Amino acid sequence: SQTIHQWPATLVQPVGSPLSLECTVEGTSNPNLYWYRQAAGRGLQLLFYSVGIGQISSEVPQNLSASRPQDRQFILSSKKLLLSDSGFYLCAWSLGLAGLGTDTQYFGPGTRLTVL
Amino acid sequence: SQELEQSPQSLIVQEGKNLTINCTSSKTLYGLYWYKQKYGEGLIFLMMLQKGGEEKSHEKITAKLDEKKQQSSLHITASQPSHAGIYLCGAAYSGAGSYQLTFGKGTKLSVIP
Repeated sequence: SQTIHQWPATLVQPVGSPLSLECTVEGTSNPNLYWYRQAAGRGLQLLFYSVGIGQISSEVPQNLSASRPQDRQFILSSKKLLLSDSGFYLCAWSLGLAGLGTDTQYFGPGTRLTVL
Repeated sequence: SQELEQSPQSLIVQEGKNLTINCTSSKTLYGLYWYKQKYGEGLIFLMMLQKGGEEKSHEKITAKLDEKKQQSSLHITASQPSHAGIYLCGAAYSGAGSYQLTFGKGTKLSVIP
């Protein structure tokens, strides 16, 4: 069966420090991978998605970047964190095109990021 | 305005009572996904609806998609404390990008023993 891991589970970082969040998927090949941010009162916002190694699409302009160095590894990064980067970051995977209603996105346990 | 509206925002019910959560879209849906989230945890997939008039059930939870594919409801029968959490609907729209789901803001459900 497929599993998705995220780490760290929680992170407290000072403003201006770098960030690296990691997501890995097991039990499947060539998944589509997603990074979402969940902020209080704002719902779930798609940040990046990737359909293959080295292929990244950004949905919103921001202080963050994503990379996919391996098939089942997705990394969210920042060079300098802002206060507004605080939130709950969720990684997800799917095999097909969830946006067409033909496949399901499965979510990881999330990372709680607090920027002070 | 929000494309996907969930109601109510929060709900407190007595254990054993039935309840319904609604998800309304301003546009026709290609698919509608229901998830459950415990505070501070990831989303757990419940059900996906794709066809107008479709209805699916899992244990005591039933989800329906209306014929016009613009509204979905999630019904819980004989609620239990284990049903407590945040329920989110996610919508798949044509033209919104094949990989993107648009999520509602969630309905927070509390079940009082």
